[in-house]
Amino acid sequence: SQTIHQWPATLVQPVGSPLSLECTVEGTSNPNLYWYRQAAGRGLQLLFYSVGIGQISSEVPQNLSASRPQDRQFILSSKKLLLSDSGFYLCAWISGVMNTEAFFGQGTRLTVV
Amino acid sequence: LAKTTQPISMDSYEGQEVNITCSHNNIATNDYITWYQQFPSQGPRFIIQGYKTKVTNEVASLFIPADRKSSTLSLPRVSLSDTAVYYCLVGGSNTDKLIFGTGTRLQVFP
Repeated sequence: SQTIHQWPATLVQPVGSPLSLECTVEGTSNPNLYWYRQAAGRGLQLLFYSVGIGQISSEVPQNLSASRPQDRQFILSSKKLLLSDSGFYLCAWISGVMNTEAFFGQGTRLTVV
Repeated sequence: LAKTTQPISMDSYEGQEVNITCSHNNIATNDYITWYQQFPSQGPRFIIQGYKTKVTNEVASLFIPADRKSSTLSLPRVSLSDTAVYYCLVGGSNTDKLIFGTGTRLQVFP
């Protein structure tokens, strides 16, 4: 069966520090991968998505970047965190272009202090 | 991408049927309609997906009229545990993006 792993679950980082959040998927190949951010009480904001290794599409100009070094690995990074980067980060995947049933990781609660 | 519009919030009582409607006037021919449920501090969870008419599974029904410009998620006999945010998404083979709207916050009271 397919599973998605996202870690860490919580993270407290000082302003100006780097960030690396990792997401891996098991049990499927060539998934579409997504990074979302959710502010408290708000909806999901699509940050990046990837349809293949090395292919990254950015939705919102920001202080973050994403990479897909392997088929089932998606990494969200920042060189220097800002206070406004705080939020709940979610990774998701879908298996096929006609199937919009997305599967989400458990999320990472990032607090920048 | 077809934009979706949902009510921001709804209230209900245990045991009642809840219907949440989503408008998607610009839905494309290849687009499917998918609904998700999200609890606090968790990722959204797939509830149901449909293309036209009616789809039913063990947790919900999805009603889609012939013009497909709207859809209604029906939750029969809600319980307190159905308190969550419900998102309607429209997408298909012509896009790789998954854009979530603001969702509908459902509050179920005892």
